[in-house]
Amino acid sequence: DQQVKQNSPSLSVQEGRISILNCDYTNSMFDYFLWYKKYPAEGPTFLISISSIKDKNEDGRFTVFLNKSAKHLSLHIVPSQPGDSAVYFCAASRRGSQGNLIFGKGTKLSVKP
Amino acid sequence: ETGVTQTPRHLVMGMTNKKSLKCEQHLGHNAMYWYKQSAKKPLELMFVYSLEERVENNSVPSRFSPECPNSSHLFLHLHTLQPEDSALYLCASSQGILNYGYTFGSGTRLTVV
Repeated sequence: DQQVKQNSPSLSVQEGRISILNCDYTNSMFDYFLWYKKYPAEGPTFLISISSIKDKNEDGRFTVFLNKSAKHLSLHIVPSQPGDSAVYFCAASRRGSQGNLIFGKGTKLSVKP
Repeated sequence: ETGVTQTPRHLVMGMTNKKSLKCEQHLGHNAMYWYKQSAKKPLELMFVYSLEERVENNSVPSRFSPECPNSSHLFLHLHTLQPEDSALYLCASSQGILNYGYTFGSGTRLTVV
């Protein structure tokens, strides 16, 4: 059973608008969450993370929100740019795991000019 | 060379072959990982090495055999694989196993025929 779920396989957004990518998790022991971005023929690249003691973390155009009661996190990209077109993976870890990140299946974002 | 380099990029092998995947990192990291991404599935952790010692073996079949001769190199030895082992194999590294901002390689696309 999947512990990290990204229910939208794809998302299309106009350039300059906001992109919102969603992620749900089932394991209440997760205490650290990350987003990775992947271009075709490349490995995933770390984008932004958030600890469970926070509900928001911002880095430039990227903001991650965490709602622990709903076991939900989201990545906001504002404004979206065509270069943001990629697959975005949500990942989670729990305290004590030996480097074991649990990934979602990914959401393919297309930002149209 | 910078980052994490994986060779070969593509590999086709028969079920009776023996082959090896190679990963090299030039970042001075002390932890390395093998992940597997099968079609329509999330990335799954296979092995974790910290300071050249294996610290995690995520219930991986013995036909996959990792080797970490030093902190910069990681191998995945393959033998008597099955067609369902066809997948993208990704190597990653980090500074410490609790640092989840992994740097991934571009992966090896493996096809077992």
